[in-house]
Amino acid sequence: SQTIHQWPATLVQPVGSPLSLECTVEGTSNPNLYWYRQAAGRGLQLLFYSVGIGQISSEVPQNLSASRPQDRQFILSSKKLLLSDSGFYLCASTGPATNYGYTFGSGTRLTVV
Amino acid sequence: GENVEQHPSTLSVQEGDSAVIKCTYSDSASNYFPWYKQELGKRPQLIIDIRSNVGEKKDQRIAVTLNKTAKHFSLHITETQPEDSAVYFCAASTHNQGGKLIFGQGTELSVKP
Repeated sequence: SQTIHQWPATLVQPVGSPLSLECTVEGTSNPNLYWYRQAAGRGLQLLFYSVGIGQISSEVPQNLSASRPQDRQFILSSKKLLLSDSGFYLCASTGPATNYGYTFGSGTRLTVV
Repeated sequence: GENVEQHPSTLSVQEGDSAVIKCTYSDSASNYFPWYKQELGKRPQLIIDIRSNVGEKKDQRIAVTLNKTAKHFSLHITETQPEDSAVYFCAASTHNQGGKLIFGQGTELSVKP
């Protein structure tokens, strides 16, 4: 079974500072990887997904970006954080076959101040 | 793209009663429909899922039904218990587009003892 390691668990960052959240997956190869954001404990919004190394699809225009430098590593970044970037960020994986339930990481609670 | 609507947003029931949460989806190509339970501050956990070639699936006190013609699916919880209290999310995906899941907005279920 898959295990997702996501860190840090909590983060408080000032407006305008950079961001880097990392997610790594164990127990599978060639997974599909996803970043979601959840505001106020409701509604998971899909931000990015990746079906392979270097392949990133963006779902929502914003000041965030994602990268997949290795098969089981997925990184969410920002050059300058906004107050509206606050939320609970969740990494998820599935696959290599698609169309299966996700395994979620434990999440990062980001507060931009 | 896919859009998933979930109702109700909040649901309060007495212990032992049944709870029903309903979702509709827009993309007729969607063929996988999972349900997640999320407790406060934790990651979503898959509780049951159904594929488009099946109309109903049961797992102990939990069941999911799917009506492909009407493009809606429902979660049924019988004999509710206080530990069922949580936020429940439905989701839909297709096997293409990286298997990305689009989530409903969530239902906060409260089971009163």
